[in-house]
Amino acid sequence: SAVISQKPSRDICQRGTSLTIQCQVDSQVTMMFWYRQQPGQSLTLIATANQGSEATYESGFVIDKFPISRPNLTFSTLTVSNMSPEDSSIYLCSVGDPRGTEAFFGQGTRLTVV
Amino acid sequence: GEDVEQSLFLSVREGDSSVINCTYTDSSSTYLYWYKQEPGAGLQLLTYIFSNMDMKQDQRLTVLLNKKDKHLSLRIADTQTGDSAIYFCAERRDSSYKLIFGSGTRLLVRP
Repeated sequence: SAVISQKPSRDICQRGTSLTIQCQVDSQVTMMFWYRQQPGQSLTLIATANQGSEATYESGFVIDKFPISRPNLTFSTLTVSNMSPEDSSIYLCSVGDPRGTEAFFGQGTRLTVV
Repeated sequence: GEDVEQSLFLSVREGDSSVINCTYTDSSSTYLYWYKQEPGAGLQLLTYIFSNMDMKQDQRLTVLLNKKDKHLSLRIADTQTGDSAIYFCAERRDSSYKLIFGSGTRLLVRP
C-alpha cells in the first residue's frame, strides 16, 4: 500500500490568509487527488493534480481559490487562498495504487479559520 | 442523479453483526470501496470489490454487491467497540481514482 504524508496535520488560520498543504507519497503515482470534508459531511473531490499539466477542477472549485502544484510524481501541494470561516474543513490527499485497484488517503489536514 | 446514499446511523451490541448499506446510481462503476474514519483521523481503506463480483470476504468483513439493484453492503462479524467509527462507501466510475462518496454511516457499538 502507498504511504501518504500530509503536512500540516492541523492549523488555525486567520481569515484572509492562505495555507499551503503538502502531500508526499512514498512511491511514484500518476494522479493525486485533493478532497474536502466539511464538518459532519462526506468527502467532496476538489481537483485532480496532474504531473506536468494544470490540475483538473471539479464543479464548484476554481484555481484562484485552490491553486495546486504537482512538481513531480511523489509530491503535490494544495493552497487554500484568502480563507474564510467557511473553508474550515479537513483536506485530504489521495492516490491510487499503481497496480490499479486501491485508493489510499492521507491522514488529512484539519483547518480552522477564525 | 449521482448520489451515493447511506443510512446515517447504526447502533449494535458488542459481539453482534453489523450490516451497513449503500446504494449507488451509476451502473458503470468499476470498483466500490469501504472506508473507515475514526474521530480526528483520516480514511482507512477497509476493503473493496470489483463490479463483476457478488461477494468478497476478508476476515470479519463481508462485502455483498447486487449490481442489478445497485446495492452494496458491508457486514462486520463479531462487532467490537473498536469498530465504532464512520463508514463510507465510495464508487469509482472510470479508470482514474476519482471517487464518489456516500454520506457516511456512524456505527456505534454498545458494550
